[in-house]
Amino acid sequence: DIQMTQSPSTLSASVGERVTITCRASQSIDIWLAWYQQKPGKAPKLLIYRASTLESGVPARFSGGGSGTEFTLTISSLLPDDFATYYCQQYNTYSDGAFGQGTKVEIK
Amino acid sequence: QAQLVQSGAEVERPGASVRVACKASGYSFTGSHIHWVRQAPGQGLQWMAWINPPTGGTDYAQRFQGRITTTRDTSMSTVYMELSSLRSDDTAIYYCARQSRSGAFDIWGQGTLVSVSS
Repeated sequence: DIQMTQSPSTLSASVGERVTITCRASQSIDIWLAWYQQKPGKAPKLLIYRASTLESGVPARFSGGGSGTEFTLTISSLLPDDFATYYCQQYNTYSDGAFGQGTKVEIK
Repeated sequence: QAQLVQSGAEVERPGASVRVACKASGYSFTGSHIHWVRQAPGQGLQWMAWINPPTGGTDYAQRFQGRITTTRDTSMSTVYMELSSLRSDDTAIYYCARQSRSGAFDIWGQGTLVSVSS
């Protein structure tokens, strides 16, 4: 199974800061990668698919990049609403280990 | 609008089985795979299975093989996930999610808490 590794696991940042989360795949997944945002007590929300395509309604301060095995999610200027946990997911093959372990973005 | 609505919380004993329902509305039920993902307390997301509603075809994560069954009722636009031989570490929130054309999961159910305790 393809394994996904996210870093960092926790990120402390201030409102207005630019932050980047990294996701690495254990083998190439081309561009079959999605990013999700999850807030406490809520279901995950799709932000980005195909590594860099913004889901409808998602603010443009979110952007994704990468291909193959290395991917990034960038928030250009953090807003209070962005403090949450973010997950990457490979969907080259649906299998165990498809999701990264998550990155919690905390208020500094 | 498209939505998935799941059945309510369940409390089960170890060794029992649980069935969670996921009802689709606002889109063509037979047009998209439905996946099951779970999240143990304080933990990350774990992919479990998918079902293809028009055919009933399924695929399961290796770790759940032999314990999980997903089915569908097309007349009710509902999919079901049954997990058997429950253990305490099966305590989690179970989500259903719709696979979009791109392959990512664009619509999620609200989640169903399954608690396993003696």
